[in-house]
Amino acid sequence: GAVVSQHPSRVICKSGTSVKIECRSLDFQATTMFWYRQFPKKSLMLMATSNEGSKATYEQGVEKDKFLINHASLTLSTLTVTSAHPEDSSFYICSARGGGRSTDDTQYFGPGTRLTVL
Amino acid sequence: RKEVEQDPGPFNVPEGATVAFNCTYSNSASQSFFWYRQDCRKEPKLLMSVYSSGNEDGRFTAQLNRASQYISLLIRDSKLSDSATYLCVVNVMYSSASKIIFGSGTRLSIRP
Repeated sequence: GAVVSQHPSRVICKSGTSVKIECRSLDFQATTMFWYRQFPKKSLMLMATSNEGSKATYEQGVEKDKFLINHASLTLSTLTVTSAHPEDSSFYICSARGGGRSTDDTQYFGPGTRLTVL
Repeated sequence: RKEVEQDPGPFNVPEGATVAFNCTYSNSASQSFFWYRQDCRKEPKLLMSVYSSGNEDGRFTAQLNRASQYISLLIRDSKLSDSATYLCVVNVMYSSASKIIFGSGTRLSIRP
């Protein structure tokens, strides 16, 4: 099956710092990657959709200047939370889709990054 | 109305029981359907895709009813390890792109 990794798995930072999260598809090329956020006992919320080589499409209410997304290659997308605040503390999950199985709609999820902002 | 709706549960059933969940979707342009499971504090993992003809994978059976716009998941002979949140996922086609929409999940708890 397709494997997606995320790094780091857990990060604790001070308020005002920036945090970068990496999402990699390990055994397939992901033309599209997605970034989600999940608060405790809440459902996944899509933040943005990232296509390789183009600008990310952000969902309504998600600040693109605060959550910077870069999808520079078919196997790597990064999410940078700039000037993080305690309310940004959440579980951030990426997923990847596409590649050789072009008709495959399945999203494969990374293991998630738990961000805690003090 | 939400685009994808699920009963949040929790469903609390004894080990060995059969349990079924439904998920309704509002957009008739929905093209593909999936069930994911998510364990506490973990990422969602694909359980199975849902095909028009229905499909079965071991103890799990998924069905699609396009006329009534719902999908279902049936779990037979439930195990303790089936305890998780089950997410209904729908891929909706819009004019220029498709969008994956997640339901809020149904919590299932299997008791000994």
